[in-house]
Amino acid sequence: AQSVSQHNHHVILSEAASLELGCNYSYGGTVNLFWYVQYPGQHLQLLLKYFSGDPLVKGIKGFEAEFIKSKFSFNLRKPSVQWSDTAEYFCAVTPNSGGSNYKLTFGKGTLLTVNP
Amino acid sequence: DAGITQSPRHKVTETGTPVTLRCHQTENHRYMYWYRQDPGHGLRLIHYSYGVKDTDKGEVSDGYSVSRSKTEDFLLTLESATSSQTSVYFCAIRGGGSNEQFFGPGTRLTVL
Repeated sequence: AQSVSQHNHHVILSEAASLELGCNYSYGGTVNLFWYVQYPGQHLQLLLKYFSGDPLVKGIKGFEAEFIKSKFSFNLRKPSVQWSDTAEYFCAVTPNSGGSNYKLTFGKGTLLTVNP
Repeated sequence: DAGITQSPRHKVTETGTPVTLRCHQTENHRYMYWYRQDPGHGLRLIHYSYGVKDTDKGEVSDGYSVSRSKTEDFLLTLESATSSQTSVYFCAIRGGGSNEQFFGPGTRLTVL
């Protein structure tokens, strides 16, 4: 079974600071990887995804993530955060095959607080 | 917006009572999922469905049952609610070509 580890429980930044949130997964096969964002009081929204091909993927709102297969990592980055990026961020993985019924395994989340 | 609605959005109930949460989708997706979200635990899969009348357990299925009698509706039942089932419950569907899931607005359940 796969698992996901998010290194930071709570990250506090000032506006315009750069962001990197760590995500590592464990699974021996090919995977699809996702970052979701949850703004206060809202549901999860897809931020970006890796399916195949270019390991550097770009998402909405200026976010990007890099898949490093050798490190089993999929870290989320943003060069300059804004107050509106305050949210909880979840990394998720699913095996790239239908045999798992496309079940997602989530990390425990990283709460990002951006101070104005 | 993946056309997912959940009802009720908020519910307060008492220990020992049965509770049913409904997830409704309008886009004929085959796969549907129920998660619970708790602080410090992220999202954990309760049950999922891969077709009408086809369901299976997730990692935290004890105390929960599900039913899917038609494509658009996936019901989650707490047979006898306990305080440990106080949580926010999210329904999701698998959509798109990259196996991503799209989430409903959630149901906040409080068991007193």
